[in-house]
Amino acid sequence: AQSVAQPEDQVNVAEGNPLTVKCTYSVSGNPYLFWYVQYPNRGLQFLLKYITGDNLVKGSYGFEAEFNKSQTSFHLKKPSALVSDSALYFCAVSRRTLTFGKGTMLLVSP
Amino acid sequence: EAGVAQSPRYKIIEKRQSVAFWCNPISGHATLYWYQQILGQGPKLLIQFQNNGVVDDSQLPKDRFSAERLKGVDSTLKIQPAKLEDSAVYLCASSLSTVRGATTEAFFGQGTRLTVV
Repeated sequence: AQSVAQPEDQVNVAEGNPLTVKCTYSVSGNPYLFWYVQYPNRGLQFLLKYITGDNLVKGSYGFEAEFNKSQTSFHLKKPSALVSDSALYFCAVSRRTLTFGKGTMLLVSP
Repeated sequence: EAGVAQSPRYKIIEKRQSVAFWCNPISGHATLYWYQQILGQGPKLLIQFQNNGVVDDSQLPKDRFSAERLKGVDSTLKIQPAKLEDSAVYLCASSLSTVRGATTEAFFGQGTRLTVV
């Protein structure tokens, strides 16, 4: 069975500082990996994906993620956080179905 | 391009009543998902359709939940009878057909917030 672990319930960062939201996965075969963001009372919004190729993938709003096969990780990163980045972030892994982690709340302080 | 449409946005029902949610996926998307998201948790897959066939419904409580996807387009999720623990947001999503056996990125609707009292 496939699974996703997001070890941090909440990440706090000051505006302008770099941010990292952690994700590890477990799946048979090559993984397809995704990050989504959820704002209050909204559905999930796709940020970026890794299918194959370059281990560093770039997505929406300046976010990027680094795929590390040996560590089975897919951490979300941004060089300079904005207050408006504050939201709930979900990592997901796909083979036959799409499985989500429990989410990490990102709080960016002014 | 129109997104995934869901209705209603909000629903309040009493326990033991029935409720139905509707979803219209993005045009051309063969894969349709229904997820349940309880407050403070990640989305849990209830059922996944590929066209009008079921790919996975292993976490669907089949004694009370049912779903169908008529003609491989719109879908309806029904709960009968509802329990208090069914209070959650029900998310519908769609994606293009699988690539090499794996699903591509899914696009989500706004969700239906169900409160069972």
